[in-house]
Amino acid sequence: GAVVSQHPSRVICKSGTSVKIECRSLDFQATTMFWYRQFPKQSLMLMATSNEGSKATYEQGVEKDKFLINHASLTLSTLTVTSAHPEDSSFYICSARVPGYEQYFGPGTRLTVT
Amino acid sequence: SQQGEEDPQALSIQEGENATMNCSYKTSINNLQWYRQNSGRGLVHLILIRSNEREKHSGRLRVTLDTSKKSSSLLITASRAADTASYFCATDAVGYNTDKLIFGTGTRLQVFP
Repeated sequence: GAVVSQHPSRVICKSGTSVKIECRSLDFQATTMFWYRQFPKQSLMLMATSNEGSKATYEQGVEKDKFLINHASLTLSTLTVTSAHPEDSSFYICSARVPGYEQYFGPGTRLTVT
Repeated sequence: SQQGEEDPQALSIQEGENATMNCSYKTSINNLQWYRQNSGRGLVHLILIRSNEREKHSGRLRVTLDTSKKSSSLLITASRAADTASYFCATDAVGYNTDKLIFGTGTRLQVFP
C-alpha cells in the first residue's frame, strides 16, 4: 500500500524556538496532504489542508502564522511550529490521499516543548 | 464542532470475546472509515464503507452503517490481546472537500489475555 513518512519521529525543543516537521509520500504523488494534531488520550483534530503549489487552508481556530505549512512538491509538505510554547506539545500526524483510495497516514511526530 | 462521537469511550474485554464500538456523526457523508491506533503510533486503516452500503466485512471485522440514524458500528469478533488499541471512525462530508476527514472521539479497547 501507499506509504507516508514523517520526520522527525520525536523532537524536543525549547520554548520560543521553531520546529519543522516533514511529511513525505514515498510512492505516490499527493496534491493534497492534511495535518492533524492529537493531544494525549484524545482524537485527531484537523489543523489544515496542504495544497501543492498554493496556500494551505486552515481550520477554524488554528493560527496560520503560528503553524506554517508549505507544500512545495507533490511528495513533500512541511509544518513549521513557530515560537513554540509548552502548550504546543502534541502528536502531529500528516496524511495524504491517493486519488480514488483512502487516506494514508504518517507515523506521527511527537513534539515536546520545554 | 463537527466531530463525531463514539461510545463507549473505553471498553475492556477478555480474549475471545467480541467488541462492539459505535460511532455517530452529524452531517451527510460520502463514506465512513474506521482506523486503529496503537498507543503513540500512527493510524492504521481498517475498513471503508460507502454511504450506499449497509454492511461490510473484513476478516474479523464487521462494520454496519445506518445513514438514517447517522451511525455506524464496528464489531471485532474473537478478540485478541493484539487488538488492544484506540479505534476511531472518520467521515467526510457531502458538499465539502471530500478528502477532508472528521474523526470521532475514539474508543479505547483493552483486551486481556
